[in-house]
Parts: sequence; structure tokens; C-alpha cells
Amino acid sequence: QKEVEQNSGPLSVPEGAIASLNCTYSDRGSQSFFWYRQYSGKSPELIMSIYSNGDKEDGRFTAQLNKASQYVSLLIRDSQPSDSATYLCAASIWSARQLTFGSGTQLTVLP
Amino acid sequence: ETGVTQTPRHLVMGMTNKKSLKCEQHLGHNAMYWYKQSAKKPLELMFVYNFKEQTENNSVPSRFSPECPNSSHLFLHLHTLQPEDSALYLCASSHSWDSGVNTGELFFGEGSRLTVL
Repeated sequence: QKEVEQNSGPLSVPEGAIASLNCTYSDRGSQSFFWYRQYSGKSPELIMSIYSNGDKEDGRFTAQLNKASQYVSLLIRDSQPSDSATYLCAASIWSARQLTFGSGTQLTVLP
Repeated sequence: ETGVTQTPRHLVMGMTNKKSLKCEQHLGHNAMYWYKQSAKKPLELMFVYNFKEQTENNSVPSRFSPECPNSSHLFLHLHTLQPEDSALYLCASSHSWDSGVNTGELFFGEGSRLTVL
């Protein structure tokens, strides 16, 4: 069973703090990893992708991948109330030709 | 035109009705997907089409019937649904997995919120 696991939260952080979102995956064949943000009532939108071990930074967002530990994380620096959303972790396996999603972590940034 | 468009955005139907959800993508992709999103559950992949051919049917009940007439359009025909089928149905598209340019990224439509009474 291919699975992607996330803490469902809710996770609350004060404005300006660092929000840390974590994800583990079970299939070692997973090759690409994604973080999607989903606002309430809206569809998921891609915010970060990562393909190799290490860190990838884009503005206030940093994705971290550790394939040995089968672990992916997303750090949001200087969190803003507009970052309040559900964050979905996803992993793709080329042989399966599909993306597997976690159940999401609900983040609330308190003003 | 925005990337992936879904209609209707909201649908209420009785268990004996027949309705259809429509999805259209303007991104030049060749793979299209239907996902179901229920509260507190992961996104559930329902169907995958690659170059109009169905490549995945994730054990979806026959009361859901997909149709993909071309690479830009995808339908989900609904018939004799159950209240537990109430959910957000999301359409997505991507480059074909065979294209050599697929990164795994999906582009989602805004979804169709379905309520079955």
C-alpha cells in the first residue's frame, strides 16, 4: 500500500514565526515530491516541488527531502495570516504513473 | 481562459438523477484525472486518462462513468449516486507520463461540489 502520511493538525503558529510541516512516505520508489496549498473551498495549488535530497528554497518557503528517512518537510518563514490553509504533501512514482496525496495539515497563522 | 475549468461548481442531485461533471483544460496537457476529496480524507484518485485512453480505474463504483472524448475534455457521468458520494470532485491535468517532460505536477480545476440527497 503506497501511503503518504501527514499530521492532520491543526497547527497554529503566531504571525512572523516559522511553521514546520512534516510528511513521511512508505514507498521507496517515490521519486518526486510536492507541497500543495489548499485554501478552504478552493482547489490545491502547487507551491513547492523537490526531487533530490537536501533543501530547496523559494522565497519564504523551504522544502527539505531525506530519501533515506523517507521524510519530506516544508518550512514557512515569517508566517503570515494569508498562509492559513491546508497543506498537502504528495509523492509520485513514475512506474505507477500517479501522484499519491497525504490527508493534509491544516495551518492557522494567528495575527 | 484559465488553465483547468470545471462545471458546474455546485450540484445537488437526488439518488435517482443522472447528471454530468465537465472539465476542460487549456494547458496543452495529454493526461487528465478525476479525484474525489471528502472531509478529513486524502485526495482519492478515481480515473486517469492518457491521450484519451483510460489508464487507471481505482476500483470506482460503476455509478461513476468517465468519458474523455479528446485530450482537452473530461466528463464524469453520475447515476444512482448515494449520499456518501457527496464530496468535492476535482479534475486535474498534467503532461503525459510518457512525454519526457512530466515532473509529476498536477494542475487542478476549482472543483465541483456535489451533494447527494
